[in-house]
Order: sequence, then C-alpha cells, then structure tokens
Amino acid sequence: NAGVTQTPKFRVLKTGQSMTLLCAQDMNHEYMYWYRQDPGMGLRLIHYSVGEGTTAKGEVPDGYNVSRLKKQNFLLGLESAAPSQTSVYFCASSYDGPYEQYFGPGTRLTVT
Amino acid sequence: AQSVTQLDSQVPVFEEAPVELRCNYSSSVSVYLFWYVQYPNQGLQLLLKYLSGSTLVESINGFEAEFNKSQTSFHLRKPSVHISDTAEYFCAVTRSGGYNKLIFGAGTRLAVHP
Repeated sequence: NAGVTQTPKFRVLKTGQSMTLLCAQDMNHEYMYWYRQDPGMGLRLIHYSVGEGTTAKGEVPDGYNVSRLKKQNFLLGLESAAPSQTSVYFCASSYDGPYEQYFGPGTRLTVT
Repeated sequence: AQSVTQLDSQVPVFEEAPVELRCNYSSSVSVYLFWYVQYPNQGLQLLLKYLSGSTLVESINGFEAEFNKSQTSFHLRKPSVHISDTAEYFCAVTRSGGYNKLIFGAGTRLAVHP
C-alpha cells in the first residue's frame, strides 16, 4: 500500500496564479483532510470531507476550494495565490472519524 | 470549542535522560486525546491515543501519556530518550462521539543531544 500520497512535493507560484494539489489514498478511507502547517502554529484545518461528494470548511478555508469526486482523491485548489498561502500543506485520511489520521508527506508551496 | 496548549516550543535533552512534553487542553465536553510525531521532512504519525478506559496509554517505542481530567492535561513522557526520538511532537484533541475535526497544538520540538 502506498498509503497517502501528495502531488506535487514542491511548487513555487507567483501571486495571482492558480494551482491544484492532489491527495490520493489507497486505504478506502471515508474521511479526508487538508491542513496547512506554519512555524509556531501547528496544523490548521483548511477543508475536510466525510465521504465521496462531500466537503466542509475547516478553521482557515478562505482562499481555498476543494473537491472529492472520487473516494480516493481529495483536491485542494488555490484560485489566486497570495504570499500568505506560503506554507507546507498536508493531506490526511481516516477510516471513521478524526481519531487516527494517516498523513501524506506534504507539499511545500512558496508564493512570491 | 476545544483548544490545545503545548507549553514548551522546544525541549533540548541529552540522550538517555528522561523527558516530559506538556500538553493542556480546554473543553466543556468529553474529549479524545492524541499525540502525533513528525520526523524531519515527513508527515505526522500517530504516536498514542486516549479514547477511554485506562488513563495511562503507551506507545510501542517507550513513550507514555497520562490523561488527567482534573488538570485537563495529557503530558507525554519517556524515561530514557534516544537520538532517534528527535522530532516535533503535536498534541491534539477532539470531542468524543460524532465529531469530525482534530484540533492540534502548536507543537514541541524535541532535540536529543549525544
């Protein structure tokens, strides 16, 4: 099993550009999450999904959109990137709630 | 709403010394508590969890944490650390029963020196 994979691993964007981060899991998990990690702030939840076709806002959703068209994939979109979105983004999945989450390796995004 | 405070941002310690990483939470309802570990340039991994039952929970690599409801704490301890324990440790909380979100603390960076 590959577990949770994230694409790409690194990306540099200019302000105003758009991009999509892909998260894929092969564990048949229902729940998927997108977090951002910033120094001294831990992980903050951006959006999450409790099943295929569902999405919900987390703690810091502004400037991001998500889609969960297939159970195994969870996409995070930035429509117009801003320097404040420079961060490391982690995707996670879990079987039946937030109790034991499996994390991907992260995507390091820099917006200049 | 739940929140988590990790009282130390960095903890330096010598190899084979004991260590305690402190975590306090606030919640008006029953909670589940977790410790996750992040090794350099990796994602987070679950280290241990408290859902119910015994208030002392252990991991396979020698860490333990004790749920103290009266002090709203879930401190992580290890009696003798190794260089390989160098990592960032995150305490997390969620409301028990039917809640979808995990709230993370800011993290504690454990640096084990030879």
